[in-house]
Amino acid sequence: GAVVSQHPSRVICKSGTSVKIECRSLDFQATTMFWYRQFPKQSLMLMATSNEGSKATYEQGVEKDKFLINHASLTLSTLTVTSAHPEDSSFYICSARVYVTDTQYFGPGTRLTVL
Amino acid sequence: DAKTTQPPSMDCAEGRAANLPCNHSTISGNEYVYWYRQIHSQGPQYIIHGLKNNETNEMASLIITEDRKSSTLILPHATLRDTAVYYCIVRVVQGGSEKLVFGKGTKLTVNP
Repeated sequence: GAVVSQHPSRVICKSGTSVKIECRSLDFQATTMFWYRQFPKQSLMLMATSNEGSKATYEQGVEKDKFLINHASLTLSTLTVTSAHPEDSSFYICSARVYVTDTQYFGPGTRLTVL
Repeated sequence: DAKTTQPPSMDCAEGRAANLPCNHSTISGNEYVYWYRQIHSQGPQYIIHGLKNNETNEMASLIITEDRKSSTLILPHATLRDTAVYYCIVRVVQGGSEKLVFGKGTKLTVNP
């Protein structure tokens, strides 16, 4: 149980384009999902907390207009990187919180490369 | 900032127990300790968590000191597939929201 998927696993795009990443909880409902970013040889950094049916809460220094988060259902959150630039190239990982056990389960990650 | 400190790296022989220490001296009374591990280029995998009692599951055991200022994750019989970065995390709850703040973790290498 507690499986989280992400799509796509890898994406390469041109500078200036937008990229959407999906995060799904496959066998449970998640009112809260989280988005993290991980640069090479660094740890995960929380970008934002996504709450179903309400606006996301962004961490300090994360541009909400650049990283659009939508959590329209209890099993799906999406992260859209708008007008991507090479410095946005990173490993994006989502997690979903299981309410009963208060535990976050992570997706496999999405490798974004912006040319 | 992460509320935990861990050694940057450790080695363990295959088949032996791996004991990974973590210091969290500023932990508050209602904050849980979580352990995750991350194998290269994958998302973190949940291992175990606890508040003040020792915990055990099919993957590992978690020993928390009585003052809760430190804990140890024990992998009883390490295998080569346990080679990963292990993160000890104190889950912070602020203003009704929670977050996991990842530190740098411990790179565990299990040797044959």
